[in-house]
Amino acid sequence: NAGVTQTPKFQVLKTGQSMTLQCAQDMNHNSMYWYRQDPGMGLRLIYYSASEGTTDKGEVPNGYNVSRLNKREFSLRLESAAPSQTSVYFCASRRDEGDGYTFGSGTRLTVV
Amino acid sequence: EDQVTQSPEALRLQEGESSSLNCSYTVSGLRGLFWYRQDPGKGPEFLFTLYSAGEEKEKERLKATLTKKESFLHITAPKPEDSATYLCAVQAWETSGSRLTFGEGTQLTVNP
Repeated sequence: NAGVTQTPKFQVLKTGQSMTLQCAQDMNHNSMYWYRQDPGMGLRLIYYSASEGTTDKGEVPNGYNVSRLNKREFSLRLESAAPSQTSVYFCASRRDEGDGYTFGSGTRLTVV
Repeated sequence: EDQVTQSPEALRLQEGESSSLNCSYTVSGLRGLFWYRQDPGKGPEFLFTLYSAGEEKEKERLKATLTKKESFLHITAPKPEDSATYLCAVQAWETSGSRLTFGEGTQLTVNP
């Protein structure tokens, strides 16, 4: 049982480059989330998808876009990376409201 | 706006020295309070969900309790393997998409 799988695990980008962070879950969960984690700021929600076919902005959506490709996959795209987007990115999923999230192992992104 | 404050920021214990971590929250109608454990370089791991004041849950050396304003994570006779960052999060009833708001965490170190 793989749970939530994120790729890549590490990435270095130059300012202005674009990339897509991939996330897939095999637990048949309905909701999926993208968070970023920064020292002193905790986990902050970027975007979420409450169900297949829907996406909504979270607390810090600027500079990001998402796609809920199907029930399993939820990708996060940085169109033009900036140093302020240097962070650790976590994808999470959840079957029903009231359940705990299951997190992936994270993508450590550095923008230089 | 939902808010979660965790204290202390860091806690160092000797093996066997029991203590408690605090999570204070402000939310307009608590649907659930969640505790997670995060090891360095990994994603958060779900521990407990508490739904109403007075509720308690236990897992090995950990016990979580909930009041109307705060939650405590009690650690009894900790071992070095309990060293981790412990995160608290809340979900409000009116929050769309089952989103969680996280605190910044308490970094626990248990020395042998």
